[in-house]
Amino acid sequence: QSALTQPASVSGSPGQSITISCTGSSSDVGAYDYVSWFQQHPGKAPKLMIYDVSHRPSGVSNRLSGSKSGNTASLTISGLQADDEADYYCNSFTNRNTHVFGGGTRLTVL
Amino acid sequence: EVQLVESGGGLVQPGGSLRLSCVASGFTFTNSWIHWVRQAPGEGLVWVSRINFDASHTNYADSVKGRFTVSRDNAKNTVFLQMNSLRVDDTAVYYCARGCGGDCHGIDYWGQGTLVTVSS
Repeated sequence: QSALTQPASVSGSPGQSITISCTGSSSDVGAYDYVSWFQQHPGKAPKLMIYDVSHRPSGVSNRLSGSKSGNTASLTISGLQADDEADYYCNSFTNRNTHVFGGGTRLTVL
Repeated sequence: EVQLVESGGGLVQPGGSLRLSCVASGFTFTNSWIHWVRQAPGEGLVWVSRINFDASHTNYADSVKGRFTVSRDNAKNTVFLQMNSLRVDDTAVYYCARGCGGDCHGIDYWGQGTLVTVSS
């Protein structure tokens, strides 16, 4: 099972918006609306930010939003803040009843 | 409060075995899938395995199939990951995480992880 494809890095200035893409295949991202996004700060456990493509868990800022088109899912963060600087990972359920993560994207707030 | 606490990590030689444990609290354990995810030093997250409520369904990544076995003891709110024939590239922090259930099809809460180092 190959990892989903994410850009290695993205950056933006405070207040700006950024989008991170997550490209899979018709066997995973394209097959189900079961894409999640996780934030991970250095040395910490990942934190769920978006589930089932576009749903935010309680307590997650509404500056984050998720979407999907075909085999590509996207995470958008608007109004960038310093604390948004972290690694972001997408995850999808697959048609083999497994899960697969993206390679991760390092977000830098300039 | 949902809590997942991993233990059992350590240093093991290539070809050796190790059993990780994950003790859960703060939620109805018998309603939840539990996943194992690993992260090699400086690398990304890699999904490893999952087990359903009553252990009737288990799934594995190709990289560990036939070497790792996931199991659970619902009386002790504990999930285990038995790792055999360990390789250097199995070196990673191993996290257990809860399948979120309901209208959420994924993983929500994570433990803090336990480090497994495979080296001679």
